[in-house]
Amino acid sequence: EAGVTQSPTHLNKTRGQQATLRCSPISGHTSVYWYQQALGLGLQFLLWYDEGEERNRGNFPPRFSGRQFPNYSSELNVNALELEDSALYLCASRQLAGYYNEQFFGPGTRLTVL
Amino acid sequence: QKEVEQDPGPLSVPEGAIVSLNCTYSNSAFQYFMWYRQYSRKGPELLMYTYSSGNKEDGRFTAQVDKSSKYISLFIRDSQPSDSATYLCAMSETGANNLFFGTGTRLTVIP
Repeated sequence: EAGVTQSPTHLNKTRGQQATLRCSPISGHTSVYWYQQALGLGLQFLLWYDEGEERNRGNFPPRFSGRQFPNYSSELNVNALELEDSALYLCASRQLAGYYNEQFFGPGTRLTVL
Repeated sequence: QKEVEQDPGPLSVPEGAIVSLNCTYSNSAFQYFMWYRQYSRKGPELLMYTYSSGNKEDGRFTAQVDKSSKYISLFIRDSQPSDSATYLCAMSETGANNLFFGTGTRLTVIP
């Protein structure tokens, strides 16, 4: 069974640009979560999508947005990039019917803002 | 105060040592407790989970939850160099869809 995949692996941008990150969940999983992992801060919850709808978002500004497509893949967009947006962005998927919140993570996209 | 606190380490131990990793939390509604392992340049992978209080053992790994103290632990027996990774605790409320993570403890097992 293929795991969660993310692209690109690395992304270099300059301040003020926009970044688009992509995620494909495990087959059969309808929920996709996005996290930001900055150095020393641990995983910070960004967004949760399920069945094409945004279900919850973390304490991040509106320039962090995304969407989920009919095939359950997802896209994270970060507008007006700032230096502090440099981090590893992790996507996780989950089968919502599971009785506990087991999330399966992808390898991440390393975003560097110069 | 953060919802989940975890000592970031780093922690270095000799091969064969017993390792103890810990997290504390403030939300008494947390019921599901998980430990993830994250190797360098990889995403986190679920290692163990427990529900409510008690112990759970899986091979060399033991997870403990003490809800009265809001304290969880992961013990690794006979540690191996392949155990070198960052260990993250995570927890959630029953029926909730968000996981709250600790910052992770970086562990190095020296051969």
